[in-house]
Amino acid sequence: GAVVSQHPSWVICKSGTSVKIECRSLDFQATTMFWYRQFPKQSLMLMATSNEGSKATYEQGVEKDKFLINHASLTLSTLTVTSAHPEDSSFYICSARDSGQPNYGYTFGSGTRLTVV
Amino acid sequence: RKEVEQDPGPFNVPEGATVAFNCTYSNSASQSFFWYRQDCRKEPKLLMSVYSSGNEDGRFTAQLNRASQYISLLIRDSKLSDSATYLCVGRARSGGSYIPTFGRGTSLIVHP
Repeated sequence: GAVVSQHPSWVICKSGTSVKIECRSLDFQATTMFWYRQFPKQSLMLMATSNEGSKATYEQGVEKDKFLINHASLTLSTLTVTSAHPEDSSFYICSARDSGQPNYGYTFGSGTRLTVV
Repeated sequence: RKEVEQDPGPFNVPEGATVAFNCTYSNSASQSFFWYRQDCRKEPKLLMSVYSSGNEDGRFTAQLNRASQYISLLIRDSKLSDSATYLCVGRARSGGSYIPTFGRGTSLIVHP
């Protein structure tokens, strides 16, 4: 089945620094990938839709200058949290869908637990 | 109002019980639906797709009611290992993409 690789799995960074998270589709091409954030005991919140070769589409309330998304190839999307602050500490997850398999759901990366201190 | 709504639970049931979750969606344009399972501090994993005709996979049965705009998940003969959060997902077209929208999840606790 489709596999999405995400790393790092966890990262601790100092306030004010930037963190890059990578999401790769390993055995399929993904023109679209999705980035989510999940706070403890809350639902997955869609942050943005990453589109290969074009600008990402951000959900309302998500700052595009703070959460930079780059989708330079059909198998790689990156999310960079710039000037991170403690309130950015969360579980970030990417997902993609293998469009070659219409009945497949969305496959998730294993997530990145970000802690900003 | 959230596009996809679920009772957060928790549903606390004994082993062997049958439990059912419902999920309602507000976007009538939603075309595809899925149930995901998420264990604590892990990523969601696809449990099953939901087809209009209903579908079954072992102890799990999913159904879709488009007229009432809800989907359901039935778990028979609950196991301890079924304890998790179950997320329902609706997928609808937005702009040029199909966007999946997640419910907040229903927590299931199966006890001995």
